[in-house]
Amino acid sequence: GENVGLHLPTLSVQEGDNSIINCAYSNSASDYFIWYKQESGKGPQFIIDIRSNMDKRQGQRVTVLLNKTVKHLSLQIAATQPGDSAVYFCAEYAGGTSYGKLTFGQGTILTVHP
Amino acid sequence: NAGVMQNPRHLVRRRGQEARLRCSPMKGHSHVYWYRQLPEEGLKFMVYLQKENIIDESGMPKERFSAEFPKEGPSILRIQQVVRGDSAAYFCASSPQGFNTEAFFGQGTRLTVV
Repeated sequence: GENVGLHLPTLSVQEGDNSIINCAYSNSASDYFIWYKQESGKGPQFIIDIRSNMDKRQGQRVTVLLNKTVKHLSLQIAATQPGDSAVYFCAEYAGGTSYGKLTFGQGTILTVHP
Repeated sequence: NAGVMQNPRHLVRRRGQEARLRCSPMKGHSHVYWYRQLPEEGLKFMVYLQKENIIDESGMPKERFSAEFPKEGPSILRIQQVVRGDSAAYFCASSPQGFNTEAFFGQGTRLTVV
């Protein structure tokens, strides 16, 4: 079936570096994407979203890029801090019969070293 | 504005007992979603509800699992005759609208079946 997946399961960076987390999706009908951050023992925390009519969206220290041609999504975190250490998930709304249902990717573990 | 509230945070049940998980959505949100997360995995969609209606239950096991979102009170996820394989973290999310809108998650209920 169609799914959302991540290229890299783990990412280690030094404090202050920029981080890039990637996500590939296979459902061309997906038109809304969300990045979530999940810390140990907690629920997913909304970070940023993007709709399919956009290529880029910026938040505070985060930027999401969407490439619909190759069905690729990325999350860029500027000046990564130890508090950014967590698991990051991309999730998609596929529309149609998937009305209301988010499909999550596997997750990438980000570790920030001080 | 309180976030999505789930209780209990931790629940231990013996095999064969019933588990009842509760979720109060954010104020003003009438759309509720339940997800299950196994250790080191992504979240898997279970069910999507609006007040008094089940919109999509395509992720719910056919037996022993049920969900409701009454006109008054929290949404309830019920698991009857629990088995060890039901041990997981169960997350509830809510949104103001059902499709292509931000979904905010609660802290989850960690169910352990012994």
